[in-house]
Amino acid sequence: SQKIEQNSEALNIQEGKTATLTCNYTNYSPAYLQWYRQDPGRGPVFLLLIRENEKEKRKERLKVTFDTTLKQSLFHITASQPADSATYLCALDGTDSSYKLIFGSGTRLLVRP
Amino acid sequence: DGGITQSPKYLFRKEGQNVTLSCEQNLNHDAMYWYRQDPGQGLRLIYYSQIVNDFQKGDIAEGYSVSREKKESFPLTVTSAQKNPTAFYLCATSSTSGRLNIQYFGAGTRLSVL
Repeated sequence: SQKIEQNSEALNIQEGKTATLTCNYTNYSPAYLQWYRQDPGRGPVFLLLIRENEKEKRKERLKVTFDTTLKQSLFHITASQPADSATYLCALDGTDSSYKLIFGSGTRLLVRP
Repeated sequence: DGGITQSPKYLFRKEGQNVTLSCEQNLNHDAMYWYRQDPGQGLRLIYYSQIVNDFQKGDIAEGYSVSREKKESFPLTVTSAQKNPTAFYLCATSSTSGRLNIQYFGAGTRLSVL
C-alpha cells in the first residue's frame, strides 16, 4: 500500500539558517505533491504544490524539490525565522480518480531566536 | 479558516451519546472532507463528498456518519459505536475543477469524552 514518511523527530535550528524537511513515499507515483503548514490547534494551510514533471518550485523563502526517481520531496525554508515554527505536512494525490489526498504525519520545526 | 466554519470549537461527549460536528463553507467548493488527527499523527480520512447527495467512506469510517444535503454543509456525527472518539477533527474543502485538489481547512473541533 501507499506509504508516506516524514521525520517524526522535531527539527531544531537557529534563526537565519535554512531548514530542510524531507518527505519520502513508496509504492506510488503521484502526479503532484503538496506541502501544508499546521500551527498548534489550527487546521493546515496550503503552501506549495509541485507536479511530477517539475524539479523545483519556489515561493518567497520557500523551495520545494521533487525527485520521482528517489521518491522524495525536500522542503526548504531559507533565512528561517521563529515565526516559521510549526508542523509541516506533505500530501500526495490518491491513486484512484477520487479527490483524495494522502497526508504524511508531519515534521515539527522549531526555530530558535 | 477563511470560508470554512467548524463548530463547536470544543465538544464533550458522554458515554453512549451521539454528537454532531458542523462544517459550513462559502467557497462554493464541490468537494468536502472530514479528517481525524490524533497527537503526533497525520490526518486520517473519515468521509468525503465530491457532490451533493453523495459521499464515500474514507480509511476510518467505522463509528461515524455524514450527510451532504446542501453544497455548503457537511456535518459529521460521531456515534456511540466509535469507542475512541477523543481527537481533533478537521473539515476541508476543495474545488473539483482541475485535478490539483488543493484543500482548505477549517479551524477544527476538539472532541473529548467525559
